[in-house]
Amino acid sequence: ETGVTQTPRHLVMGMTNKKSLKCEQHLGHNAMYWYKQSAKKPLELMFVYSLEERVENNSVPSRFSPECPNSSHLFLHLHTLQPEDSALYLCASSQEAGSGNTIYFGEGSWLTVV
Amino acid sequence: AQTVTQSQPEMSVQEAETVTLSCTYDTSENNYYLFWYKQPPSRQMILVIRQEAYKQQNATENRFSVNFQKAAKSFSLKISDSQLGDTAMYFCAFMANAGNMLTFGGGTRLMVKP
Repeated sequence: ETGVTQTPRHLVMGMTNKKSLKCEQHLGHNAMYWYKQSAKKPLELMFVYSLEERVENNSVPSRFSPECPNSSHLFLHLHTLQPEDSALYLCASSQEAGSGNTIYFGEGSWLTVV
Repeated sequence: AQTVTQSQPEMSVQEAETVTLSCTYDTSENNYYLFWYKQPPSRQMILVIRQEAYKQQNATENRFSVNFQKAAKSFSLKISDSQLGDTAMYFCAFMANAGNMLTFGGGTRLMVKP
């Protein structure tokens, strides 16, 4: 059982749809992250939040919009995506952002854009 | 910028045998942390072992140990008494002490054979 829960686990959406990925952590951590894992690239950091404030935005296209309403919840809002955005999206959390704090991952949300 | 290289895309080992996965990294930082994560078919990234660069002693966790060579920027993972449940993708990762980003290598797919 994981302390980081992601929903939905699988999502298929059209390029004109709007959908959201949800992440919840039960570990009492202050930092949360979105990572993208696609077939032909190493894992890529997308966003970092520390105490609900975005501290890192790793050159992610605006069609991905994160939201962190509190330190336990993180969303990734998706709109007008492209087929190349199909990937596994991993949410993660850590006690604090950076400083070698171990990052704990959820099981991921598989996204397919058709 | 940091880079992490895993030169072995795939490896296999017989059950109960020992296997070593290679990882090298490039950085100009002096204070940093290194990690090995395991990603089984369930796709959840699970922390295997963590090493602090300022510690000369190699980290160990039960059957898992590392050979950390700071001067050579090498961080290999040794799995002893391999078990079928060790079959997974293994990712080496780097985090600078001053940064928020966990930089991953491309992964090594390990198959443990009965």
